[in-house]
Amino acid sequence: RKEVEQDPGPFNVPEGATVAFNCTYSNSASQSFFWYRQDCRKEPKLLMSVYSSGNEDGRFTAQLNRASQYISLLIRDSKLSDSATYLCVVPTDSWGKLQFGAGTQVVVTP
Amino acid sequence: DAGVIQSPRHEVTEMGQEVTLRCKPISGHNSLFWYRQTMMRGLELLIYFNNNVPIDDSGMPEDRFSAKMPNASFSTLKIQPSEPRDSAVYFCASSATSGRGGNIQYFGAGTRLSVL
Repeated sequence: RKEVEQDPGPFNVPEGATVAFNCTYSNSASQSFFWYRQDCRKEPKLLMSVYSSGNEDGRFTAQLNRASQYISLLIRDSKLSDSATYLCVVPTDSWGKLQFGAGTQVVVTP
Repeated sequence: DAGVIQSPRHEVTEMGQEVTLRCKPISGHNSLFWYRQTMMRGLELLIYFNNNVPIDDSGMPEDRFSAKMPNASFSTLKIQPSEPRDSAVYFCASSATSGRGGNIQYFGAGTRLSVL
């Protein structure tokens, strides 16, 4: 089993709609998690951190289910600019090493 | 504040040539990471340093790859000799590691390498 698994998508979403997708992780000891966003031909950038049961930042909500070992990301009122690949990220050691998932592609259409 | 700075942004070279990629981490960050990204394999961690010391280089694909961090503000990734399969985007990232894990990494814009 991979350390971090994501549905690659693409998720095709009409503008204004809601989209949600999950990420599963294998290390039950992981305490914190991240969602990064990567635009085409750009570097990954932090979208949000998840330290407890979840986090909300504007239209973006991340939820953590420790029992089932998955993290979800929900995007409300999708904008064209939300089109990107969303990377689920799990820390793996105390030196700062992060394990990146392969990413979920979201395409928001007019 | 300046972010992570990588150079060059693009590199085109011929097979067999030496390639050197450079990275300047964010000032005050004590961990530095080198990644490679391709469509087939996604984002792969090659090597990372903490306080200029290599911690884990198990991701370095072959002996052709080497990385150094001579001081807190500079690191290089060298490929010698380069091969077409090394073509990828190479990212450098840095973080302020507290020793408890879970630290945010900040990425440079990457170096797009094409080996002909």
